[in-house]
Amino acid sequence: EAGVTQFPSHSVIEKGQTVTLRCDPISGHDNLYWYRRVMGKEIKFLLHFVKESKQDESGMPNNRFLAERTGGTYSTLKVQPAELEDSGVYFCASSPDRTGLYTEAFFGQGTRLTVV
Amino acid sequence: AQSVTQLDSHVSVSEGTPVLLRCNYSSSYSPSLFWYVQHPNKGLQLLLKYTSAATLVKGINGFEAEFKKSETSFHLTKPSAHMSDAAEYFCVVSPSFSGGYNKLIFGAGTRLAVHP
Repeated sequence: EAGVTQFPSHSVIEKGQTVTLRCDPISGHDNLYWYRRVMGKEIKFLLHFVKESKQDESGMPNNRFLAERTGGTYSTLKVQPAELEDSGVYFCASSPDRTGLYTEAFFGQGTRLTVV
Repeated sequence: AQSVTQLDSHVSVSEGTPVLLRCNYSSSYSPSLFWYVQHPNKGLQLLLKYTSAATLVKGINGFEAEFKKSETSFHLTKPSAHMSDAAEYFCVVSPSFSGGYNKLIFGAGTRLAVHP
């Protein structure tokens, strides 16, 4: 069974450009989470989808970030326009259990975003 | 509010010697606690999870952690380090009263180096 897959693995863009990160969760997993780790800081929660609905987006830093999950399958996270402080590693995770109680969340390998 | 502090940013051990990675937490109620590991170019992998059952939790690859409420600690140990244990380890608390995987709070991480 394929795990959580993230594309691209690395991205280098210039300040002001747009970047779209993609996450393919494990098939059948309703819950999808985005986290990020800014250089030198802890991994922080960004948002949580249940199917196609945003359950909690309290961690999104500002309106330059837009997450979507059309059809409840893969998700995209768009940063527009990118700023230097957006550099870091963006993780996606998925879990099958709606409550998150009984099963673990499986993480992807992350997308390393560098804004120059 | 919940928080987690990993007391060492780097730990270095010799192969075959014990491993101790220290974690203290702060929580307004009985927390759910996790240890995750990230090997280079891999996703975050769950090592073990504590959810108010047994205070000594056994995980994968010979790791275990003991929940000590009086010390607010959840240290990760392994009797004998293996070269393949070299990775970054994260202590994580769930802010959900139910202990789910939503909106996890990560520690800053501890990089474990294992020398021959």
